[in-house]
Amino acid sequence: QKEVEQNSGPLSVPEGAIASLNCTYSDRGSQSFFWYRQYSGKSPELIMFIYSNGDKEDGRFTAQLNKASQYVSLLIRDSQPSDSATYLCASRMDSSYKLIFGSGTRLLVRP
Amino acid sequence: DGGITQSPKYLFRKEGQNVTLSCEQNLNHDAMYWYRQDPGQGLRLIYYSQIVNDFQKGDIAEGYSVSREKKESFPLTVTSAQKNPTAFYLCASSPSGRGYEQYFGPGTRLTVT
Repeated sequence: QKEVEQNSGPLSVPEGAIASLNCTYSDRGSQSFFWYRQYSGKSPELIMFIYSNGDKEDGRFTAQLNKASQYVSLLIRDSQPSDSATYLCASRMDSSYKLIFGSGTRLLVRP
Repeated sequence: DGGITQSPKYLFRKEGQNVTLSCEQNLNHDAMYWYRQDPGQGLRLIYYSQIVNDFQKGDIAEGYSVSREKKESFPLTVTSAQKNPTAFYLCASSPSGRGYEQYFGPGTRLTVT
C-alpha cells in the first residue's frame, strides 16, 4: 500500500516563529508533491507543489523535497495565527492522475 | 469567475435513500475527482475521471456511482448500499500538464439518519 505519512500534531509554535511540517512517502515512483491547507470545516486549498529536489519558495512558504530520503517538508516563516489549520501532504506518481494524501498535521500558532 | 461549485452545502437524508451530489467546474480541466473525508481523517478517493465518458474506481468506490457526460460536470450518487454515508464530500479537478495539481470545491456535508 502506497502511503504518505504525517504527524497528526498539533504542532504549536509562537507567532513570528518558523513552523516546520514534515511528510514521508513510501513509493519511490512518486514524482510530484503537494501541500494543502485546510481550515476547520472548509475544503483543502493548494499552497504549493514541488517536483524537483531542493527548495521552492513562495512568499512565507518554502517547500523542500529530498527524494533520496523520501521526505517533503513545508516551512512557514513568520507564522501568523491565521496560519492555524491542518496541512495535508500529497504525492503523485508520474504515470497517474491520482494523489495520495496523508492524514494531515494540525498547526496551532499562538498569539 | 472560474472555479468549482458543489451543491448543496449541507444535505440530510434518511437511511435507504439514494442521493446525488453535484459538482461543476468552469476551469476547462480534463480530470475530476470525488473524495470523502471523515472527522480527523485524510482524504479517500471514491472515483475519478480523466476524460468525458470515462471514469475509474478509487479506493472506496463501493456504494457510490458517478457519470461524466460533460467535461464540466461530475455528479456523485451515494446509494443505499453505502453502509456509512455520513461524511464530508469533496470534488476536485485538475488540468493536464504541469503537476496535475488538484483544486477543490467547497464540499458537501452529507448526514444520513
